[in-house]
Amino acid sequence: GENVEQHPSTLSVQEGDSAVIKCTYSDSASNYFPWYKQELGKRPQLIIDIRSNVGEKKDQRIAVTLNKTAKHFSLHITETQPEDSAVYFCAAPPSSGNTPLVFGKGTRLSVIA
Amino acid sequence: EPEVTQTPSHQVTQMGQEVILRCVPISNHLYFYWYRQILGQKVEFLVSFYNNEISEKSEIFDDQFSVERPDGSNFTLKIRSTKLEDSAMYFCATSAPLNSNQPQHFGDGTRLSIL
Repeated sequence: GENVEQHPSTLSVQEGDSAVIKCTYSDSASNYFPWYKQELGKRPQLIIDIRSNVGEKKDQRIAVTLNKTAKHFSLHITETQPEDSAVYFCAAPPSSGNTPLVFGKGTRLSVIA
Repeated sequence: EPEVTQTPSHQVTQMGQEVILRCVPISNHLYFYWYRQILGQKVEFLVSFYNNEISEKSEIFDDQFSVERPDGSNFTLKIRSTKLEDSAMYFCATSAPLNSNQPQHFGDGTRLSIL
């Protein structure tokens, strides 16, 4: 089945700096890669996603890149702000239908003002 | 923006008792999922539901668990005889009815505490 690895587990950056979180997946059939942000005690909130027919997608300060050959995808946050502090999860489904997501273990991002 | 609604927000139950967690999906969504998250850990898949039947389930979803959509509105997760290790946040997620993977939108979760 699908296996998703996420690194780093914790990340501290100064406000204004960039943050990069990386994930790898195992199932070649995966074609959809969402990123979720989870604040303490809250639900996972979808912040950006990418499909396998594109290599990069950007939405304001956040961007996701995908390398299908290497089976890895990354989240990039630029100009970080204290409110970006949260746990970020990558996920991938094991196939192309509407299948359940397999989540990474999460990255706790701390943005220091 | 439409939301997935879950009730209750917090449930405290004695070990061995039955619990029912409820979810109201986004109105045009037809794919439903239950996930759980043990404190400080990753989100884990339990079960998916489409067209009034289970489409997939994980190893966690054993005979103590069941799901149904009794009234065409609520989507419920029942744990028949709770164990201490069932203590976790339970999230319902739903997605739209299209062929390829669609974004899954999560509810605010139910915090289940087993005593």
